[in-house]
Amino acid sequence: NAGVTQTPKFRILKIGQSMTLQCTQDMNHNYMYWYRQDPGMGLKLIYYSVGAGITDKGEVPNGYNVSRSTTEDFPLRLELAAPSQTSVYFCASTDTSRDTEAFFGQGTRLTVV
Amino acid sequence: KNEVEQSPQNLTAQEGEFITINCSYSVGISALHWLQQHPGGGIVSLFMLSSGKKKHGRLIATINIQEKHSSLHITASHPRDSAVYICAAIRSPGEKLVFGQGTRLTINP
Repeated sequence: NAGVTQTPKFRILKIGQSMTLQCTQDMNHNYMYWYRQDPGMGLKLIYYSVGAGITDKGEVPNGYNVSRSTTEDFPLRLELAAPSQTSVYFCASTDTSRDTEAFFGQGTRLTVV
Repeated sequence: KNEVEQSPQNLTAQEGEFITINCSYSVGISALHWLQQHPGGGIVSLFMLSSGKKKHGRLIATINIQEKHSSLHITASHPRDSAVYICAAIRSPGEKLVFGQGTRLTINP
């Protein structure tokens, strides 16, 4: 099925561990985004990309890295996990050149202990 | 001041009422999205607007580029419409996605 595939759905990390959240879309969208949502709070943009090879920081990029080597994939890397990174992470994609809506992954619930 | 402001932050209404949620933005944009997030956490895109008006079932979204304002309307509201509604603007230039703080809508039977 077409859409955004985000993995894993749940993860528990120990402080100092690293992990990569995967995000793949098969709609040939040029724009992809990573954001986090803390409990009871709104969405905050971590990183975004307007096309392969191009990434930019959002509101809360510290502690994260991204890459966009292909149009389809936009992985988010957490290095040296901290309790402050406990959150729900969402990946999204869209393509304004085709007047299309945004598609969201199902979210990753990450707990750092 | 946030670049994207929504009002109201919370809205409670009775089933059948006409609902309006407003979104104002202070930056140039290329498009604006209306999103819906249910208590389970999943996010669904309702509309993407760059001009004018769109309608899907009981939902209507409008945007006025000159006034930098968008509205989401729900006709004949139903308890299943209870959710958080979020407007998100794609800034131009730069294409950064900027979110409003969300409107928590509760429709009582």
